[in-house]
Amino acid sequence: ETGVTQTPRHLVMGMTNKKSLKCEQHLGHNAMYWYKQSAKKPLELMFVYSLEERVENNSVPSRFSPECPNSSHLFLHLHTLQPEDSALYLCASSQDFGGETQYFGPGTRLLVL
Amino acid sequence: SQQGEEDPQALSIQEGENATMNCSYKTSINNLQWYRQNSGRGLVHLILIRSNEREKHSGRLRVTLDTSKKSSSLLITASRAADTASYFCAPRLFSGGYNKLIFGAGTRLAVHP
Repeated sequence: ETGVTQTPRHLVMGMTNKKSLKCEQHLGHNAMYWYKQSAKKPLELMFVYSLEERVENNSVPSRFSPECPNSSHLFLHLHTLQPEDSALYLCASSQDFGGETQYFGPGTRLLVL
Repeated sequence: SQQGEEDPQALSIQEGENATMNCSYKTSINNLQWYRQNSGRGLVHLILIRSNEREKHSGRLRVTLDTSKKSSSLLITASRAADTASYFCAPRLFSGGYNKLIFGAGTRLAVHP
């Protein structure tokens, strides 16, 4: 176990549904990340939060909405997704923001029908 | 692209053989990290090598870094079936005003019993 948990582990949703992914870290870290991993593509960094402030948003469509209520929790709210959004969504944390070693959760496998 | 680019994309070997994976990057780095990912799971940090280091060992892992060639290699000696996974390099570089890790597409390693 890396100290980063994600729920749910698997999610199937229709294009009109609204769902949320949850990430929790038990490491006392100050930075948290959302990544998207599609088949045979590099990890795509979606959002970065440092001390609960969003520091990076890599041109992610507005149908993905992150929320960081405190330094231990990170959410990714999903609405009106497209089939091409089907992927493995990974959460990670690091002690501080700035290229430190990252600790990843097990991921949420999302399928959009 | 500034990301680490791994080579080969896929590698298939027999148990007991050594596996070598290479990584190239395009800009100056602070350090370079290697991660492992079992199928459909999160990434796990393996080893970090700093820009002033040339070689580093951890168990059966040996990492080299050549900053003049902007390249790194990961050697797994005496491979085991349990080493089957994808391996990612992540150069830590300065981009967009801050340091960040940039992941490549990875090398898929298959170790056959």
